[in-house]
Amino acid sequence: EAGVAQSPRYKIIEKRQSVAFWCNPISGHATLYWYQQILGQGPKLLIQFQNNGVVDDSQLPKDRFSAERLKGVDSTLKIQPAKLEDSAVYLCASSLSTIQYFGAGTRLSVL
Amino acid sequence: QKEVEQNSGPLSVPEGAIASLNCTYSDRGSQSFFWYRQYSGKSPELIMSIYSNGDKEDGRFTAQLNKASQYVSLLIRDSQPSDSATYLCAVNPNQAGTALIFGKGTTLSVSS
Repeated sequence: EAGVAQSPRYKIIEKRQSVAFWCNPISGHATLYWYQQILGQGPKLLIQFQNNGVVDDSQLPKDRFSAERLKGVDSTLKIQPAKLEDSAVYLCASSLSTIQYFGAGTRLSVL
Repeated sequence: QKEVEQNSGPLSVPEGAIASLNCTYSDRGSQSFFWYRQYSGKSPELIMSIYSNGDKEDGRFTAQLNKASQYVSLLIRDSQPSDSATYLCAVNPNQAGTALIFGKGTTLSVSS
């Protein structure tokens, strides 16, 4: 069974630029999550989708972050404009029930 | 504010010893509890899940849950250098499909 796919693996941008991350969950997993993991911290939820609807985006900085999950499968997370404090690993996870499976993540460096 | 607390470590143990990792959580209504292992530069990997009070064993790993004390622990027996990683405690506060709340992680170092 294929795992959660994410791309790109690494991204370096300058502040105020925009960036987008892509995630393809495990086939059949209805729930998809985007987490932000800052160095030395545990992952923190940004947004949760159930199929193509948003379940929880209370911690998403909506003035600069956006996410969508068209057709209830793939998802993209966008940051525009990026700030220095957005430097982190962005993890996508998917689940069928209580167990969440993580992708390899995208490491973002904002200079 | 729902929180999950862990000692950041590092926790250092010799090869073959028992490593004990601890975690407390603030939301008394939490239902599901997980331990993830994260190697440096890698994504979290689930190693144990526990849902009811008591112990759950899987190979060298034992998870212990005490909901009255809001405490969950992970024991690693016969620790190996390959167990050296950061261990993240995660709590699902409500029900299936709800996002996890993670602790900051405990770094374990197993010396040979």
